[in-house]
Amino acid sequence: DTGVSQNPRHKITKRGQNVTFRCDPISEHNRLYWYRQTLGQGPEFLTYFQNEAQLEKSRLLSDRFSAERPKGSFSTLEIQRTEQGDSAMYLCASSSGGVNYGYTFGSGTRLTVV
Amino acid sequence: QKEVEQNSGPLSVPEGAIASLNCTYSDRGSQSFFWYRQYSGKSPELIMFIYSNGDKEDGRFTAQLNKASQYVSLLIRDSQPSDSATYLCAVASGGSYIPTFGRGTSLIVHP
Repeated sequence: DTGVSQNPRHKITKRGQNVTFRCDPISEHNRLYWYRQTLGQGPEFLTYFQNEAQLEKSRLLSDRFSAERPKGSFSTLEIQRTEQGDSAMYLCASSSGGVNYGYTFGSGTRLTVV
Repeated sequence: QKEVEQNSGPLSVPEGAIASLNCTYSDRGSQSFFWYRQYSGKSPELIMFIYSNGDKEDGRFTAQLNKASQYVSLLIRDSQPSDSATYLCAVASGGSYIPTFGRGTSLIVHP
């Protein structure tokens, strides 16, 4: 296991289309996080899973966004009816839990909405 | 609203100098504090975490935490050009331990 894997690395889509990203966390990590990062800003929290349960969602996550983590393994983040403002780097991170454990990020998926 | 504040920089230091990066946070209940390094176009990489008041050293890096004053800092000794990156401070509270990130400080180490 070489770390957190995200696919695709880049996605260009037309406004109004739906897109889906995938994240494969480190196998022994039960916690999975999705963040969004725009240029010059730090990562913004979107949602968090512990095993298969989605325990928290940010107010940033509009109804057009949905995330799943079936069977507590990989996770998908879907954006419906994309808007230009959705253009960002979408980062997935995983951790083994606990307050003193850092979060390992994947390489991210860069979304460009044209 | 939990806030994490960092000076966006850039902070420019000569090679071999000590770089000092600072971060303040608003949530007094914060328990864990992280420093991430992010190279341009790459994802953040964890370099340090600290949860007790005082200093924590790891190689050329020292994290300093002062919960009473609500600040955390990162010192990089013997700075190298390869340290040039954006340094993100992240703070997590109890419960879900979801870290809140600052916007990052850009560090430039010039030869």
